[in-house]
Amino acid sequence: AQTVTQSQPEMSVQEAETVTLSCTYDTSESDYYLFWYKQPPSRQMILVIRQEAYKQQNATENRFSVNFQKAAKSFSLKISDSQLGDAAMYFCAYEVARFGAGTRLTVKP
Amino acid sequence: DSGVTQTPKHLITATGQRVTLRCSPRSGDLSVYWYQQSLDQGLQFLIQYYNGEERAKGNILERFSAQQFPDLHSELNLSSLELGDSALYFCASSGQGVGELFFGEGSRLTVL
Repeated sequence: AQTVTQSQPEMSVQEAETVTLSCTYDTSESDYYLFWYKQPPSRQMILVIRQEAYKQQNATENRFSVNFQKAAKSFSLKISDSQLGDAAMYFCAYEVARFGAGTRLTVKP
Repeated sequence: DSGVTQTPKHLITATGQRVTLRCSPRSGDLSVYWYQQSLDQGLQFLIQYYNGEERAKGNILERFSAQQFPDLHSELNLSSLELGDSALYFCASSGQGVGELFFGEGSRLTVL
């Protein structure tokens, strides 16, 4: 079974600084998708970024980028120039059926 | 706005009762997914429908059932409700291909 592990229940970052959220997963598949979703206090789940496993290049979306290490089954999210609006729960997901327990990110002004 | 509509937004009911949650996917999306999120927990995948057919089943209890109708909207039926069923229930939809999910705002169920 595919499992997704987020080892950091909570993280804190100073505004304008950079923070990295960790995610590891387990799978025997060779081709798959990985996602990071953001859940702000409104509870709406919002896609942050996605990575296709067959692509070696790390995905980037503005201030958000990933470090995808396929052999290590690691998929971390880097948020640069953190903003107050980045404060939220962040969930790592393997395809559509496996989500990590989440990391609560606090941004300090 | 994700384009996915869920009703009701909030629902309070008693143990032993039955409720129905409704989801309208984004226009053109054939897949509908249901998830349960208990307080401060991650999302638990319940079930997926694709164009009216059950495609995948996750940790869905036997007391729960779902269906997708010809107009592609979906309903999640929860029966014999227990206190532990109190949670946020999300519906999501996706088109073909990359599997990106578009989530509704969720239905918050409180069982007293």
